[in-house]
Amino acid sequence: SQQGEEDPQALSIQEGENATMNCSYKTSINNLQWYRQNSGRGLVHLILIRSNEREKHSGRLRVTLDTSKKSSSLLITASRAADTASYFCATDQANTGKLIFGQGTTLQVKP
Amino acid sequence: GAVVSQHPSRVICKSGTSVKIECRSLDFQATTMFWYRQFPKQSLMLMATSNEGSKATYEQGVEKDKFLINHASLTLSTLTVTSAHPEDSSFYICSAPGLAGSTQETQYFGPGTRLLVL
Repeated sequence: SQQGEEDPQALSIQEGENATMNCSYKTSINNLQWYRQNSGRGLVHLILIRSNEREKHSGRLRVTLDTSKKSSSLLITASRAADTASYFCATDQANTGKLIFGQGTTLQVKP
Repeated sequence: GAVVSQHPSRVICKSGTSVKIECRSLDFQATTMFWYRQFPKQSLMLMATSNEGSKATYEQGVEKDKFLINHASLTLSTLTVTSAHPEDSSFYICSAPGLAGSTQETQYFGPGTRLLVL
């Protein structure tokens, strides 16, 4: 079963703007991860945030985690057309490697 | 970084036939691999955990006799879709943890196999 919801389901922005995606989950977790998927392709791991962390940065990516609200957000700053893809959050409840994915957000960045 | 491959990348088969999909970790060993299924415009759903040297464990609702998993070696897991039907048409993706045998935190995903059952 799906762990939770992502919102928005779809997001369309202009190049240079920031994109924010949100993810909510239902159970306690060990860590939460964000992945990117280009159309019809496999997944690329973007960033992992542990349950005892609140914020993490990687390049143009910023991830926050609020375990009290069971939610996370992914911010992509200064977006590029090449950022166009689907983005998924995934939770690992017990550090087993079994990931439960959110519904995903489809991001379109217009040049 | 760690690389996971899948073969074939795309397969079309007739209803009733069986299809085997391979997942290989190319530059590292993986005692555990995971199989996911993704229907069009949907998210990934975990199907099963493939364990080297022991039986796979399946998620609730996934038929183990329908989706046979064999973890033949530390670098290879296979998923066989038996007696495939059109509703089995999907994108099948495998993953393996980046650090074999230790922390499972980072998963490396294969490029996926698109199955179309006619």
